[in-house]
Amino acid sequence: EVQLLESGGALVQPGGSLRLSCAASGFTFINYAMTWVRQAPGKGLEWVSSISGSATGTYYADSVKGRFAISRDNSKSTLYLQMNSLRGEDTALYYCAKEEGQLWTYFDYWGQGTLVTVSS
Amino acid sequence: DIQMTQSPSSLSASVGDRVTITCRASQSISTYLNWYQQTPGKAPKVVIYAASTLQSGVPSRFSGSGSGTDFTLTISSLQPEDFATYYCQQSSGVRPLTFGGGTKVDIK
Repeated sequence: EVQLLESGGALVQPGGSLRLSCAASGFTFINYAMTWVRQAPGKGLEWVSSISGSATGTYYADSVKGRFAISRDNSKSTLYLQMNSLRGEDTALYYCAKEEGQLWTYFDYWGQGTLVTVSS
Repeated sequence: DIQMTQSPSSLSASVGDRVTITCRASQSISTYLNWYQQTPGKAPKVVIYAASTLQSGVPSRFSGSGSGTDFTLTISSLQPEDFATYYCQQSSGVRPLTFGGGTKVDIK
């Protein structure tokens, strides 16, 4: 059974840093690209960042480029999101998602989310 | 960036109704379009991928159509468990992988 378990969310002051983790199980982690998607309270879904299976390709939304860094440890089947220079608008529930498909890709499994609150 | 525009943003319907949600892309994305369902307090769940392919385990009352810039998600006979928010998402490979703003389907 595929499972994705996020952790690391917390209350942090503006300008602070946080590292989110997503522990994966039930599939061959290195074979799949992974993604972070966030959802601000009461709002819609926003794609944040993706990383290829081998970690050779990383991609970011303009809103987080230069502040966030996605990475993965395939030996530990774990995805990370290092978040620096946090702002109030980064407050959201952060989901990790597994990407399925080679040509037509979609997110077939999602974690339960971890809450990041940026406030003084 | 490719913008995804959903309409309506919300709708009220009754059990048994046929419901159609539309999604428009700001440029052609062929059939690189996915639909997700999200119920309150839960993570999103894919219902349709590649514009018209039903995800395994999803009831056949859900269907998707379209290509290029215009897409629709149809629920042929709304069931109580279908009351949720639906999001389209483009997966054309052009980053960002944009989501639509969502369509909330609630009970009339």
